[in-house]
Amino acid sequence: GQQVMQIPQYQHVQEGEDFTTYCNSSTTLSNIQWYKQRPGGHPVFLIQLVKSGEVKKQKRLTFQFGEAKKNSSLHITATQTTDVGTYFCARGSGGSNYKLTFGKGTLLTVNP
Amino acid sequence: DTAVSQTPKYLVTQMGNDKSIKCEQNLGHDTMYWYKQDSKKFLKIMFSYNNKELIINETVPNRFSPKSPDKAHLNLHINSLELGDSAVYFCASSQGTVATDTQYFGPGTRLTVL
Repeated sequence: GQQVMQIPQYQHVQEGEDFTTYCNSSTTLSNIQWYKQRPGGHPVFLIQLVKSGEVKKQKRLTFQFGEAKKNSSLHITATQTTDVGTYFCARGSGGSNYKLTFGKGTLLTVNP
Repeated sequence: DTAVSQTPKYLVTQMGNDKSIKCEQNLGHDTMYWYKQDSKKFLKIMFSYNNKELIINETVPNRFSPKSPDKAHLNLHINSLELGDSAVYFCASSQGTVATDTQYFGPGTRLTVL
């Protein structure tokens, strides 16, 4: 129903390698938000995608929203040790029952 | 200035005890939330309040009772603590209740029930 599936659950890379995490839904998403949680920290908002096919960039991070608005991805180019953490996608549902439903996250570890 | 703050940061207690966690936001937001994050890092919403009114209660045991004295504060009281309550509890806030509102999280309270 309202869940978002995130893969992979874990990803270990060598520093300098690229990384991608995927977020999928069986139903159309009105929007998708991405959060990062550093080890021992709290989730921090990264970006939001709303439009079909939208692509946004933040330095080495590229976020995409699928044409059908049922999937999204986060790609990191040339990972650094500072990228370590868990990346969550979250779908929003508005109105009187507003909430974010989070995916289970992808834990990224980077070997220096 | 901390946008969303929680106290305490750590809480270690015995089974059966009652404990409270406090949350405050200085962002002027109307909506506040409690999330539970288990050992597998799954973030699950428990409650949300909008302008002091409960709007979401995600089938949480009634041992958990949130209270919002004003829209800047949301506290969580837990009665008769159980081992399974051990987790990190995050408070969060958002401007309103629109699907595109982003959420700001507090630093978390790590609860350990022995």
